[in-house]
Amino acid sequence: SQELEQSPQSLIVQEGKNLTINCTSSKTLYGLYWYKQKYGEGLIFLMMLQKGGEEKSHEKITAKLDEKKQQSSLHITASQPSHAGIYLCGAHLWGFNKFYFGSGTKLNVKP
Amino acid sequence: GAGVSQSPRYKVAKRGQDVALRCDPISGHVSLFWYQQALGQGPEFLTYFQNEAQLDKSGLPSDRFFAERPEGSVSTLKIQRTQQEDSAVYLCASSLAVLGATSYEQYFGPGTRLTVT
Repeated sequence: SQELEQSPQSLIVQEGKNLTINCTSSKTLYGLYWYKQKYGEGLIFLMMLQKGGEEKSHEKITAKLDEKKQQSSLHITASQPSHAGIYLCGAHLWGFNKFYFGSGTKLNVKP
Repeated sequence: GAGVSQSPRYKVAKRGQDVALRCDPISGHVSLFWYQQALGQGPEFLTYFQNEAQLDKSGLPSDRFFAERPEGSVSTLKIQRTQQEDSAVYLCASSLAVLGATSYEQYFGPGTRLTVT
């Protein structure tokens, strides 16, 4: 959506390398969500951030929400082939009764 | 336990046909969303239900699209007189909480892939 800009669009990394995916909102975020999607499947929830400055980690994936609450980053440490897929940021924006998604980042991890 | 299910998983329709896509949310879930996902894109919001009330339908592309959730559980997305541009994956998601709650978390179904020929 135009409300959420995600970058990069695609990423190819060597196994073991770190990587970062960014998500920027044009409006104030109420909640920022990260999902992973494999081809032909539904979205899998990774984590949710709500407070400015918040940081959450799950296994080798860390997500941060900046202090101004309009930008988030997803960082993967020591990437593995199992991390391959499409990463999507989603958000509930203040004053809107809907949910927006970025266009996704396609991640390929080369063994 | 059972997750969100959608049926059919695949649907091929001829242009002009009507289609109905079904979503069975997780039992007891209050919130239900429909999204449209074109190839290589992120999901686009279509509509949001809180129980049986449709709180936002601003994402429905045209008046050919209609969604309902009459008893606050199962939902149906109906597309009348399908067009080629309707070809996409239609995703359904449900949540125990209402949108905006701090505990809000959506669970997605596998989607219905609609191809209009």
